[in-house]
Amino acid sequence: DTGVSQDPRHKITKRGQNVTFRCDPISEHNRLYWYRQTLGQGPEFLTYFQNEAQLEKSRLLSDRFSAERPKGSFSTLEIQRTEQGDSAMYLCASSLARLAGGPTYEQYFGPGTRLTVT
Amino acid sequence: GNSVTQMEGPVTLSEEAFLTINCTYTATGYPSLFWYVQYPGEGLQLLLKATKADDKGSNKGFEATYRKETTSFHLEKGSVQVSDSAVYFCAVSGDDKIIFGKGTRLHILP
Repeated sequence: DTGVSQDPRHKITKRGQNVTFRCDPISEHNRLYWYRQTLGQGPEFLTYFQNEAQLEKSRLLSDRFSAERPKGSFSTLEIQRTEQGDSAMYLCASSLARLAGGPTYEQYFGPGTRLTVT
Repeated sequence: GNSVTQMEGPVTLSEEAFLTINCTYTATGYPSLFWYVQYPGEGLQLLLKATKADDKGSNKGFEATYRKETTSFHLEKGSVQVSDSAVYFCAVSGDDKIIFGKGTRLHILP
């Protein structure tokens, strides 16, 4: 059983460039989440998908950020016109969807993509 | 929305000491509670969880009990090891998401 994988693990880019990250979830998981983590902080929720549908986007997610999960499997997160403030670790997680009336399932995290904007 | 507050670190202990990391939560309804751990250079891993009041989650010698009356989910371990050095995150579920605390860095000295 492979876990959640993310690519690339590290990305250095110049301000103003576009970057795209990929996440491959655990195969049987129908939910996929993106988080951002900065130094000394916990992960902050950005967006999530159930299958191919994007169900929620955080107010943290500016118009420069877009995420897709076209076939309900892997997902991409694109940041356009990067800014130095975008430098962070971008984490992907997957889980099963909660059943009606049931508890929230735990999320399984990938290793993250560390973005540095110079 | 739901939130968690956990004790600030860093916490420094000697090997074999007793560990407590405090966590309190604010939530509506009946959330699930989690502790995640992040070892240096690695992603977050689920350490333990509890899904209803009075449940005790346990793993690798760590324990935490879901206390609804005090809205707490404190992490404990009876005898820590150097290999337990990591950042520990308390988390609460809400609206199909998981909301994380800021993390507590733990240093264990040999």
